[in-house]
Amino acid sequence: QVQLQESGPGLVKPSQTLSLTCTVSGDSISSGTYYWSWIRQPAGQGLEWIGRIYTSGSTNYNPSLKSRVTISVDTSKNQFSLKLSSVTAADTAVYYCARSGMVATDYFDYWGQGTLVTVSS
Amino acid sequence: DIVMTQSPDSLAVSLGERATINCKSSQSVLYSSNNKNYLGWYQQKPGQPPKVLIYWASTRESGVPDRFSGSGSGTDFTLTISSLQAEDVAVYYCQQYYSTPPGFGQGTKVEIK
Repeated sequence: QVQLQESGPGLVKPSQTLSLTCTVSGDSISSGTYYWSWIRQPAGQGLEWIGRIYTSGSTNYNPSLKSRVTISVDTSKNQFSLKLSSVTAADTAVYYCARSGMVATDYFDYWGQGTLVTVSS
Repeated sequence: DIVMTQSPDSLAVSLGERATINCKSSQSVLYSSNNKNYLGWYQQKPGQPPKVLIYWASTRESGVPDRFSGSGSGTDFTLTISSLQAEDVAVYYCQQYYSTPPGFGQGTKVEIK
């Protein structure tokens, strides 16, 4: 059974960089079959796709966040990571990592439980 | 970007009755080369991540009860819960995966009347 688990600081100061890691179990990131994404959800609001990475390291980002986002992969640890720079209160959200590619590039079949990140001084 | 718009924002349905959620995309998500609609539906309960229900607009994920069904093509889609159960109380999202960035509707909250 595939499982994804987000980890990282729950509180980030404005203007700093948000850093999260997603640890994957039950599947190998290096298998080359799937894409690995970050998605966020502000409290009481909808879902926003942040970006994805493939095993090769190729990435795609949401144009609305592209200038501030970096997603990377560490196949040796079966993890992928998110960095979001210059954060503001508007970046406060639950951040999910998710897998896609079984059905289509961006159909997300497995999700982590999510981690709340609050941007506040 | 393709914009996804759901209606209504919320609805209250009696147990055992039908619930219908609509989703409209700002452009077609039907891929002509394979005749597939790149449209999925998710269910999200409080404090939980979204759970997959339907892909290709009408194909149920394994384990999803058959009271859930999806229909539509092109730009207009519907999720139907044929006989609402208490455990179906949740927010439902449609999502297009036709183009990048993938986009979600704003969600429809389903409650018991």
